[in-house]
Amino acid sequence: EIVLTQSPGTLSLSLGERATLSCRASQRIVSNYLAWYQQKPGQAPRLLIYGASIRATGIPDRFSGSGSGTDFTLTISRLEPADFAVYYCQQYGSSPPYTFGQGTNLEIK
Amino acid sequence: QVQLVESGGGVVQPGMSLRLSCAASGFTFSSYPMHWVRQAPGKRLEWVATISYDASNKYFADSVRGRFNISRDYSKNTLFLQMNSLRGEDTAVYYCARDLAEADGTGEMDHWGQGTLVTVSS
Repeated sequence: EIVLTQSPGTLSLSLGERATLSCRASQRIVSNYLAWYQQKPGQAPRLLIYGASIRATGIPDRFSGSGSGTDFTLTISRLEPADFAVYYCQQYGSSPPYTFGQGTNLEIK
Repeated sequence: QVQLVESGGGVVQPGMSLRLSCAASGFTFSSYPMHWVRQAPGKRLEWVATISYDASNKYFADSVRGRFNISRDYSKNTLFLQMNSLRGEDTAVYYCARDLAEADGTGEMDHWGQGTLVTVSS
């Protein structure tokens, strides 16, 4: 099973700043099958990025994903109030098991 | 629009059973793999189970294999999770989610329900 480790655990930034979130896998993720989700308190997760770098429908271009192999990054270019949430990475592929990282809590500084 | 509505959660004693339902609408239910994902209080998301679009394949996390079963009813556009021999560590919000891709799918989950809380406690 692939273990995903996200860093930092908590990221404190101000409005308008750039956020860089990291997700590291315990082994190579084939075909860049890596997704990012945003979750706000009391809500279901929302798909942001899949295929490591493809924005899901309706996701603003302030969100971008990059990386390959074992190291992946989610970047939010200019933080807006609605962006403060917990972010999870997920690895997937042609068949399960699927795993999620432990999350990064993005909070307002 | 795509809508997923879970139901069936509640408080149960250890060792008991519970069946969760997820009513799907706004898309061709028979074309997509479906997933159950859970989240214990304050914890990360945990994939639980996946069923293929045609129900020919089912996959389970090691933590629930042999105790949980996933199924789907095409006439009712509903996904189910039968949970037996429940344990305290099964306490979580359970979400159903649709795969991004039709047919074989790949595992990205592009639509989620609001979740249903299962509490296992004596």
